Amino acid sequence: GAGVSQSPSNKVTEKGKDVELRCDPISGHTALYWYRQRLGQGLEFLIYFQGNSAPDKSGLPSDRFSAERTGESVSTLTIQRTQQEDSAVYLCASSLGWGDTQYFGPGTRLTVL
Amino acid sequence: DQQVKQNSPSLSVQEGRISILNCDYTNSMFDYFLWYKKYPAEGPTFLISISSIKDKNEDGRFTVFLNKSAKHLSLHIVPSQPGDSAVYFCAARNYGGSQGNLIFGKGTKLSVKP
Repeated sequence: GAGVSQSPSNKVTEKGKDVELRCDPISGHTALYWYRQRLGQGLEFLIYFQGNSAPDKSGLPSDRFSAERTGESVSTLTIQRTQQEDSAVYLCASSLGWGDTQYFGPGTRLTVL
Repeated sequence: DQQVKQNSPSLSVQEGRISILNCDYTNSMFDYFLWYKKYPAEGPTFLISISSIKDKNEDGRFTVFLNKSAKHLSLHIVPSQPGDSAVYFCAARNYGGSQGNLIFGKGTKLSVKP
């Protein structure tokens, strides 16, 4: 009955390295979202998965960003060749279905040196 | 272009008084609005929502008001408590659109002083 979990909670990496962030949604939730929050900014939508439909990638800032989701379970967000401007808190949320209330995980704080 | 704006980055209120957090939006296609509360090192938690067919929704100490003609909504917390100190995000969704994602404002940091 746990909520949305994310790992790692903190990640420090060097510029140019690849990172992978993980999200475990609430069991039974068909919709999963990734957001990013830069310092002093609001939450910025990145990508959205709904069931077996093709994901909505309209928020991904560049082709260095990609995400996958296996069925209706775990999702991973991958950032290749990280840049300093990628430093942010990456938040994952899930909802029972499209349009339902989104429940957020605690986020992964990414710092690119 | 910011479609959801929270123009006050911070607000300080005395315990027991009313807290009013404001939010403006520009997209007339938004027809569902939510408020989320966020404590440090935690993800946002859903607080209260309102559909555009309503102008008020109340849940305990929290009330959200929607003025569609002004494209403005507000969250009232009364009475305010020190545990309400957090960052509050306003969010909007185009419920009839193709995306399920939310558009968030930048947040307002509320401090409730004992």
